[in-house]
Amino acid sequence: AQSVTQLDSQVPVFEEAPVELRCNYSSSVSVYLFWYVQYPNQGLQLLLKYLSGSTLVKSINGFEAEFNKSQTSFHLRKPSVHISDTAEYFCAVSVDTGFQKLVFGTGTRLLVSP
Amino acid sequence: GAGVSQSPSNKVTEKGKDVELRCDPISGHTALYWYRQSLGQGLEFLIYFQGNSAPDKSGLPSDRFSAERTGGSVSTLTIQRTQQEDSAVYLCASSLAGGVGETQYFGPGTRLLVL
Repeated sequence: AQSVTQLDSQVPVFEEAPVELRCNYSSSVSVYLFWYVQYPNQGLQLLLKYLSGSTLVKSINGFEAEFNKSQTSFHLRKPSVHISDTAEYFCAVSVDTGFQKLVFGTGTRLLVSP
Repeated sequence: GAGVSQSPSNKVTEKGKDVELRCDPISGHTALYWYRQSLGQGLEFLIYFQGNSAPDKSGLPSDRFSAERTGGSVSTLTIQRTQQEDSAVYLCASSLAGGVGETQYFGPGTRLLVL
């Protein structure tokens, strides 16, 4: 069975500072990896995903994540955060079971302060 | 529609009552998923629909939970004889065909509180 670990439940950071949100997964088969973001009082939105090819994937708002197979990690990074990045971030994994069932981590709350 | 919609947005019920939660997926999406988001449990998969069929119900926590989908569109999640541990946010998502790598689009959720 697959599982996802997000060790940090909350990450406080100052505006314009860099941030890394950690995600590790366990799976015995090839996986597909996702980061979803949930802004306050909003639904989950896809931030970025890794399916195959280049191990570095980027979002339109400056986040990036790198798939590291040997470390079984898919950490999310941003070199300079904004107040508007305050949200909860969920890492998820899926495998090819015939359909895409997402297994989520417990989430990391990113708190950006001035 | 423009996105996945869910109703009601909030539901407060008494222990032992039945509740129905509704999901309207994006038009044309054949795949529909229900997840539950609760404190301490994170986001858990409940059930997957492809069209009107549910090939995977493995996440339903007990036989008090059931779901159906009609016309390949609207889905209803029913919880019978609600318990306090059922309190959570119930999220619905849809994707175009359910294939691997497809983006799942989530609704805003229904927040259920069982007193």
